[in-house]
Amino acid sequence: KAGVTQTPRYLIKTRGQQVTLSCSPISGHRSVSWYQQTPGQGLQFLFEYFSETQRNKGNFPGRFSGRQFSNSRSEMNVSTLELGDSALYLCASLGLAGSSYNEQFFGPGTRLTVL
Amino acid sequence: QKEVEQDPGPLSVPEGAIVSLNCTYSNSAFQYFMWYRQYSRKGPELLMYTYSSGNKEDGRFTAQVDKSSKYISLFIRDSQPSDSATYLCAIAKTGANNLFFGTGTRLTVIP
Repeated sequence: KAGVTQTPRYLIKTRGQQVTLSCSPISGHRSVSWYQQTPGQGLQFLFEYFSETQRNKGNFPGRFSGRQFSNSRSEMNVSTLELGDSALYLCASLGLAGSSYNEQFFGPGTRLTVL
Repeated sequence: QKEVEQDPGPLSVPEGAIVSLNCTYSNSAFQYFMWYRQYSRKGPELLMYTYSSGNKEDGRFTAQVDKSSKYISLFIRDSQPSDSATYLCAIAKTGANNLFFGTGTRLTVIP
């Protein structure tokens, strides 16, 4: 079974630009979560999508947005990039573990550098 | 204040040692407790998860949750150089898929 795919793996942008990151979940998984990982703050939850609907959102400004397509692939967008947006952006594909906790499988991440 | 605090490390141990990694949390609403391992330039991979209190063992790894003291631990027996990675604890509430992560402990096992 193929794992979670994230593209691109590396990205360099300048302040003020916008960026779109893509995530393809594990086949059959319908829920995708996005996290930002930085050395200072660690992993922080951005948002979760299920069946093309945002189900939950973390405490990030409106410059961070996302969407999910009918094939469960998801994109996240960051507009008006700031230096502090430099981070590893991780996508997690949620499987059903037969309980109220859904085991989350992470992709390799997209390393975004803002200059 | 973060939902979960993790001993920052870094931690350096000789091969074969027993490793103890620890986290604390403050909100008793959290019911699911996870340990992830993250190698350099990779995404986190789930090692173990525990629901509510108790111990769970998987090979050389044991996860322990004490809900009364809001303390979670991961023990690694007979540590190997391949265990060198960053270990992240994570917690979740029932019915919620957003995980709260500790900042991670970088472990180095020296051959």
